[in-house]
Amino acid sequence: DTGVSQNPRHKITKRGQNVTFRCDPISEHNRLYWYRQTLGQGPEFLTYFQNEAQLEKSRLLSDRFSAERPKGSFSTLEIQRTEQGDSAMYLCASSLEGAGEVEAFFGQGTRLTVV
Amino acid sequence: AQKVTQAQTEISVVEKEDVTLDCVYETRDTTYYLFWYKQPPSGELVFLIRRNSFDEQNEISGRYSWNFQKSTSSFNFTITASQVVDSAVYFCALKDNQGGKLIFGQGTELSVKP
Repeated sequence: DTGVSQNPRHKITKRGQNVTFRCDPISEHNRLYWYRQTLGQGPEFLTYFQNEAQLEKSRLLSDRFSAERPKGSFSTLEIQRTEQGDSAMYLCASSLEGAGEVEAFFGQGTRLTVV
Repeated sequence: AQKVTQAQTEISVVEKEDVTLDCVYETRDTTYYLFWYKQPPSGELVFLIRRNSFDEQNEISGRYSWNFQKSTSSFNFTITASQVVDSAVYFCALKDNQGGKLIFGQGTELSVKP
């Protein structure tokens, strides 16, 4: 297994444009999480999926943000009408809940810069 | 409220010194998991260790050891004989029992100089 994979690694976009990020979790993992990390801070939870169901969304996830996990495999995070405040590292993590493993494994992140 | 506090923003040591990273947490849960992650400049968060709240035995794994004290809500992490490759930002995290999301501290940037 190659671990959690995120694409693209870097994205520069103009304010007002839409962007989409992709996360491929570890294949047998049933949970998938999205976090946002700004400079000098710890990651902050955005949302998570149990298989294909989105079960929790943080108040950080404004209506410009949407996430999907079709068929419980890969996930996408879309930001519409980007703002400069959206500039951050977006991290994806996956875990296998219910099988005695409790740790989450992270991808390398997508660094978004909104200019 | 659930919260993780890492009071040390930056630590600088010389290679081969031991270094301890502090972590204090708050939780309403009676059972919970705590973690340490390492984030090198590449950006990926690397899982290091986990500890559950119902086992207070402290452990050692190679150059890593941890001191979990439920009475003081602390989960400190020690690197013995530090190496330059240990230079990174280290995060302490608490797992929320409702859904499993991680609540992170603000991180401690460790710099190990040769």
